[in-house]
Amino acid sequence: AQSVAQPEDQVNVAEGNPLTVKCTYSVSGNPYLFWYVQYPNRGLQFLLKYITGDNLVKGSYGFEAEFNKSQTSFHLKKPSALVSDSALYFCAVRDRDDKIIFGKGTRLHILP
Amino acid sequence: DGGITQSPKYLFRKEGQNVTLSCEQNLNHDAMYWYRQDPGQGLRLIYYSQIVNDFQKGDIAEGYSVSREKKESFPLTVTSAQKNPTAFYLCASKRDRGLNIQYFGAGTRLSVL
Repeated sequence: AQSVAQPEDQVNVAEGNPLTVKCTYSVSGNPYLFWYVQYPNRGLQFLLKYITGDNLVKGSYGFEAEFNKSQTSFHLKKPSALVSDSALYFCAVRDRDDKIIFGKGTRLHILP
Repeated sequence: DGGITQSPKYLFRKEGQNVTLSCEQNLNHDAMYWYRQDPGQGLRLIYYSQIVNDFQKGDIAEGYSVSREKKESFPLTVTSAQKNPTAFYLCASKRDRGLNIQYFGAGTRLSVL
C-alpha cells in the first residue's frame, strides 16, 4: 500500500532562516506526491505536486520540494521563513485507487 | 476553500442522534471525498465517490453513511453507531481520476453534547 511518513510532529525555525519539512514515501510504481498546508480551523490548501520531470518542484508562497528517488523522500523547503508560514503541513501520495493518502502532518512554528 | 461549501461550521450531536454534514461543490468535479481529522492523526478517509450514484468506503467508514445523488453534493451522515464522533470533518473534491489536485472545504467541527 502507498504511504507517506512525516517524522517530525513539530519544526521550529527562526524567521529569515531556511526551513525544511521532511516527508518520506513508500509506493509501488511511480510516486505522485503532494504538499498541502492548513491554517487553523480551515481546510487544506494545495502547495505543490510532483508527477514526473524535474526533481525540484516549485509551488505557492515561495515553497519548493525536492524529490529524491534513492532516499524515497519529498522534503518541503523554503529559503527564508516568514512568521506567516506557521501552519500545519501535510505530505500526501496518490494511490492506485485514486485515493489521496495523507501523512500525520508537521506543525511548523516560525519564531519572530 | 473556493468552490466547496461545507455546512454547518459547527455542529453538536446528542447521544443516539444521527447528524448530517453538508458538502456542495460548484467546480463540476467528478470525485468527492470525506476525511476526518483528529489531533496528531492527520486526515483519515471516511468515504469517497468518483461518480454520481457510486461511492466506496475509505479506511474508517464504520458509523458513517453517504449518498451521491447529484454531482455537486456529497452529504455525510454521522450515525449513532459512531461512538466517538468528535472531530473536524473535511470534504474535498477532484476533477476526475487523473493526476489533479484536491480542493478542500473549510470543514465542520462536530462535538458531542
